[in-house]
Amino acid sequence: GAVVSQHPSWVICKSGTSVKIECRSLDFQATTMFWYRQFPKQSLMLMATSNEGSKATYEQGVEKDKFLINHASLTLSTLTVTSAHPEDSSFYICSASKDRALFYEQYFGPGTRLTVT
Amino acid sequence: AQTVTQSQPEMSVQEAETVTLSCTYDTSESDYYLFWYKQPPSRQMILVIRQEAYKQQNATENRFSVNFQKAAKSFSLKISDSQLGDAAMYFCAYVSYSGGGADGLTFGKGTHLIIQP
Repeated sequence: GAVVSQHPSWVICKSGTSVKIECRSLDFQATTMFWYRQFPKQSLMLMATSNEGSKATYEQGVEKDKFLINHASLTLSTLTVTSAHPEDSSFYICSASKDRALFYEQYFGPGTRLTVT
Repeated sequence: AQTVTQSQPEMSVQEAETVTLSCTYDTSESDYYLFWYKQPPSRQMILVIRQEAYKQQNATENRFSVNFQKAAKSFSLKISDSQLGDAAMYFCAYVSYSGGGADGLTFGKGTHLIIQP
């Protein structure tokens, strides 16, 4: 149990276009989902936290208008990279938490590789 | 703010030998969790082991064990009987309870573990 999927696994888009990445909890309801960014050979950096039905909380330095996060249901969160540029190329990983009391249990998706040309 | 430091960018060990990966952290919280995650070339994050700060006993999972020194804020991972499949990036991570729900994980920069056959 506790499987998280991401779609697509790899996407290439042209500079200036927008791209949407989906994160789904397949066999549980996720009260909270997290979005991380990982540059090549670097660590994971938390971008934002989203709770179902409320606005996402962004980490300092993350542009809210560029990285739109929507947590419309207890099983789906989406990250939309708007007006993408080559510097947005990265590996994006989501994770999900079942319950606020179980904050230490977070389940990771397989990641999405975004390449902006 | 909490920080996680991994001072070994790369470690190499002979197959069947034992290796220890280091991690230190900084926090003012008393209730928190520490983790070691493995990230193989597939880039899927895999939980290796988790330690609760209020538990003095070191966590163990088969060949993986930790040395948790709370006062020194040190959390090292020992891998016994190293296997070729252990080759990966290893990240040390931290999370505390914020009161408002789950927080995203804070990761160290990672240690690239090489297993020599």
